[in-house]
Amino acid sequence: SQQGEEDPQALSIQEGENATMNCSYKTSINNLQWYRQNSGRGLVHLILIRSNEREKHSGRLRVTLDTSKKSSSLLITASRAADTASYFCATDRDDKIIFGKGTRLHILP
Amino acid sequence: NAGVTQTPKFQVLKTGQSMTLQCAQDMNHNSMYWYRQDPGMGLRLIYYSASEGTTDKGEVPNGYNVSRLNKREFSLRLESAAPSQTSVYFCASSASRDRIVGEQFFGPGTRLTVL
Repeated sequence: SQQGEEDPQALSIQEGENATMNCSYKTSINNLQWYRQNSGRGLVHLILIRSNEREKHSGRLRVTLDTSKKSSSLLITASRAADTASYFCATDRDDKIIFGKGTRLHILP
Repeated sequence: NAGVTQTPKFQVLKTGQSMTLQCAQDMNHNSMYWYRQDPGMGLRLIYYSASEGTTDKGEVPNGYNVSRLNKREFSLRLESAAPSQTSVYFCASSASRDRIVGEQFFGPGTRLTVL
């Protein structure tokens, strides 16, 4: 069964706006990761946040982690057309990573 | 560095045929993974190898076998292909330590169609 679940399933916003997507998971984790997938391609790692961290930044990306609620959020600020992609959260469990079903983000011109 | 490479990129099989998907990484990672991705779905783990010489089942192992040939290579075999195995297959590798998995690096994928 899938550990992480993203919300919303799909999101359309205007270029320049901020995009927020959420991930909930079921069991305790060591870390949580976010990945991006452009259509038809392999996944690209965006950011990793450890279970003892609450917030992490990387360029226009901001990730938060609330282990008490078993949830994380990914914020993309000042969105661009190139941000159109699917975004997946992934949680680790016993030597492996389990992915959610993803959020499809579409940036409108 | 090539990163993670997969062959072939595309494959069409008839039901009952067998084939092996190849994966290699040049980053000296100890862990390697095989996933499948179906339309509108996330990645589901088929098998993984936490270190050279070990392999373990993931979420959807039925109908597949794997071989960790050496530290660089991890192959996925379909012994008797079925239409339900039509999917995109991704190989990934990562450095892991004390059973904690770090960033995963993905290959470009193999698009498999089983008729």
